[in-house]
Amino acid sequence: NAGVTQTPKFQVLKTGQSMTLQCAQDMNHNSMYWYRQDPGMGLRLIYYSASEGTTDKGEVPNGYNVSRLNKREFSLRLESAAPSQTSVYFCASSIWTGQETQYFGPGTRLLVL
Amino acid sequence: SQQGEEDPQALSIQEGENATMNCSYKTSINNLQWYRQNSGRGLVHLILIRSNEREKHSGRLRVTLDTSKKSSSLLITASRAADTASYFCATGENTGTASKLTFGTGTRLQVTL
Repeated sequence: NAGVTQTPKFQVLKTGQSMTLQCAQDMNHNSMYWYRQDPGMGLRLIYYSASEGTTDKGEVPNGYNVSRLNKREFSLRLESAAPSQTSVYFCASSIWTGQETQYFGPGTRLLVL
Repeated sequence: SQQGEEDPQALSIQEGENATMNCSYKTSINNLQWYRQNSGRGLVHLILIRSNEREKHSGRLRVTLDTSKKSSSLLITASRAADTASYFCATGENTGTASKLTFGTGTRLQVTL
C-alpha cells in the first residue's frame, strides 16, 4: 500500500495564479484532512472531510476550497494564490472506528511569489 | 490558535541519554497524541493516550498525561541518532465522525553521537 500520496511535491506560483493540490489514500479511510505548516510552527487544519460527500472548515480555511472527489481523493484548491499561502501542505487520513490516529502524506511545498 | 505548547522548543542530547518533552494544552480533550517529523517529511504517529489513561508505553517511548494540569510528557529512553527529529503533541477532538487534531509548535530534538 502506498498510504497517503500527494502531488505535486513542489510548486512555484505567482500571486493571483490558481492551482489544485491532490491527495489520495489507499487505506479505505473515511476521513481526510488538509493542513498547512509554516516555518517553526505546528500544523494548522485548513479543511477536513469526515466522509465522502462532506467537508468542513478547520482553523484557517480562508483562501482555500476543497473537494472530496470520492472516498480515496481529497483535493485542495487555491483560487488566487497570495504570498501568505507560501507553506508546506500536508494531507492526512484516518478511519473512524474509535481510532483517531491520522496518517500523513509527504507534503507539498508551495512558494507564492 | 495552537492548543498544545511544547517545552522545550529545542533539545540537544548525546546518544544513550533520555529525552523528555512536555506539552501543555488549554481545553478538555478526548485524547492526546505524539507525532514525529523528520526534516522535510510528513508526520508519523508515535503514540496515543486517552483522557482516562495516565501512562502509556511503546518500546522506548513513555507518555504520561495529567488532565488536572492539562499537560503531557513524552520520554524517549536510550536515545539514538535516528531519533533526531521534531516532535509534536496533538490534542484530539472527536466530532462524531472525524477526529480533529490541534497541533503544538513542536520540540526539535538533536541526538549527537
